[in-house]
This record gives sequence, structure tokens and C-alpha cells, in this order.
Amino acid sequence: GAGVSQSPSNKVTEKGKDVELRCDPISGHTALYWYRQSLGQGLEFLIYFQGNSAPDKSGLPSDRFSAERTGGSVSTLTIQRTQQEDSAVYLCASSRGGPSRTEAFFGQGTRLTVV
Amino acid sequence: AQTVTQSQPEMSVQEAETVTLSCTYDTSESDYYLFWYKQPPSRQMILVIRQEAYKQQNATENRFSVNFQKAAKSFSLKISDSQLGDAAMYFCAYRSASGNQGGKLIFGQGTELSVKP
Repeated sequence: GAGVSQSPSNKVTEKGKDVELRCDPISGHTALYWYRQSLGQGLEFLIYFQGNSAPDKSGLPSDRFSAERTGGSVSTLTIQRTQQEDSAVYLCASSRGGPSRTEAFFGQGTRLTVV
Repeated sequence: AQTVTQSQPEMSVQEAETVTLSCTYDTSESDYYLFWYKQPPSRQMILVIRQEAYKQQNATENRFSVNFQKAAKSFSLKISDSQLGDAAMYFCAYRSASGNQGGKLIFGQGTELSVKP
């Protein structure tokens, strides 16, 4: 696609349920990032993929959070046993990777509401 | 660890006037990149301007320019001839040039800019 695509756009879930958020990066982009934006806050780094491997998972807030990337393309962020504090906008970004000067392009995010 | 601080939660400017958004950062690295991103209500982050730390010249993109003070670790954004479409949340961000950091961005808390007609 022309840009980074995220689905769903909005998700309301009950506390305790599992959710999956999807990110489809720009074709050919090897680097993929997940960020979380809580209400009124800046973006918080969660995880970074280079290809299918995740060399930096340091931002995942707990073991309820996991992510995978398959085929060097689509990534899924899974939150198990959701809690109210997980409510936030989850943003995905991709870049060509390689030299650090490459620009990261963002999707429009998934707004997750845990009720 | 690197940090980015935006001390102005909200700013307001009159249409056609100039406004400056402040950003400070903390790092022990000498080589890095700084960015300003715009986030309209659509939520999509849009890159406004980028500065490489090794360049002394301040970056400029049309009506947007930065004042990069490396020693002071300051990186402010100036918007000239403000337009209604400039109203958005603005984020300052830092990225290490070190390959072992993978290119992740560290963001400030954001500044909500409103433009008055």
C-alpha cells in the first residue's frame, strides 16, 4: 500500500479479554516500530522489528504484551487479559531501516478502549 | 538514557503571526537526530522538520525552521505566517545515530498549538 495501514481503527474491549492489533507497513520497509500514546501523553516506544526479529523489546510494559512479525511485513501486537490502563492509541511506524537517516512513516493508529 | 522535554503543554497564535515551540533534550551522545512531528486530529504523525546534530546550520522547510543549540541541548521550532491548518499537537523527538538503538524515536510530551483566525 501507499502508507502504513493499521487495523482496526478503533477497538472497544472488555477488561480481561485479549486483543490483537495489526500493522501493515509500507512495502519494502524492513524496520517496524510500535508506540503507545496514552491520553494527553507523548509516544512511548514499545518494540522494534528489523525483518522478522525484534532486537529491542525494552518498551513492552508487561508480559501481557507481545508482538510478532511474519514475512518481514505485517506485524501483530497482542495484549492479553486487557486492563483499563491499557487504554491508549497504539501507533505503528515503518522505515527502510539501514542508515539512521531514513524517515519513519506512521499509521493512523488503533484507539483501544478497555471498559 | 535520553529524554526529551516540552515545557509548553499549550500554545496559541494568531493567524499570520509567528510562534515558537520549545524543546530540550538530554543525551550523552554526540551524534543524533532531532525531529518535529505534527499530529492532527486524524492521529497520523507527520514529519515537519529534521535536524542532524553534526550539522551546525539550522534546518528550514518553507514556513518551518528550527533553532538548534547543541551545547544547550535545545531544539525549538518556529512557525512563520501561521495558518489555520497548522493547528495540531506538535511533538519533539530524538533518535540516536548509534546503530545499536535501531532507530527508535524518543518523544516529548507534546505541545497543543491552536491558531486563532
